[in-house]
Amino acid sequence: QSVLTQPPSVSAAPGQKVTISCSGSSSNIGDNCVSWYQQLPGTAPRLLIYDCYKRPSGIPDRFSGSKSDTSATLDISGLQTGDEADYYCGTWDNVLSAYAFGAGTKVTVL
Amino acid sequence: EVQLVESGGGLVQPGGSLRLSCAGSGFSLSRYWMYWVRQAPGEGLQYVATMKPDGTEKYYLGSVRGRFTISNDIAKNSLYLEMNSLRGDDTAVYYCARDGVGVGPDFDNWGQGALVTVSS
Repeated sequence: QSVLTQPPSVSAAPGQKVTISCSGSSSNIGDNCVSWYQQLPGTAPRLLIYDCYKRPSGIPDRFSGSKSDTSATLDISGLQTGDEADYYCGTWDNVLSAYAFGAGTKVTVL
Repeated sequence: EVQLVESGGGLVQPGGSLRLSCAGSGFSLSRYWMYWVRQAPGEGLQYVATMKPDGTEKYYLGSVRGRFTISNDIAKNSLYLEMNSLRGDDTAVYYCARDGVGVGPDFDNWGQGALVTVSS
């Protein structure tokens, strides 16, 4: 059972926007920024967002992150079929002294 | 180009041991915290261990503490995970990952993964 809570799945039509939430507590998201990872089927995860809202080079601006108190959000706009993947939030937990991942959210493009 | 390549995975009996290696190229391990992250079949990502490049700080997932040991060899630019007293719930793909440039931990480069299967 993860200390970060994500919805199991979200879906939308091509071109639409999806929002993935990541809910935590004062010991993790409340005190640290969140990273977001995309995992396409059969591949290693890829960093999408770090420091809550920053994008590594090569990540399109269709992906955006934000944080408020003990929750974080990943928005994917202009949804494409290639965006079908599992998405994970993650951050350090000060009480566990361990990195915590959310359980993951499967994005389906209808 | 940054690359991470894991090796050493395989089939091991419960109670057995295995050592994973992660060879880095395109950067120096001496400058980065490194992590091991695993993923059981059909499951999500799970942090396993991390270490400071000089070896003075190491942190572990509670369920592996005392059984797993993370280490590195800067001269070989490699990261290791020594796994002892292996159990069925340790079965997973094990990834090594590099901590990126962010303020907090963020994994900007990942290896391809090494499959560890614990079964009799």
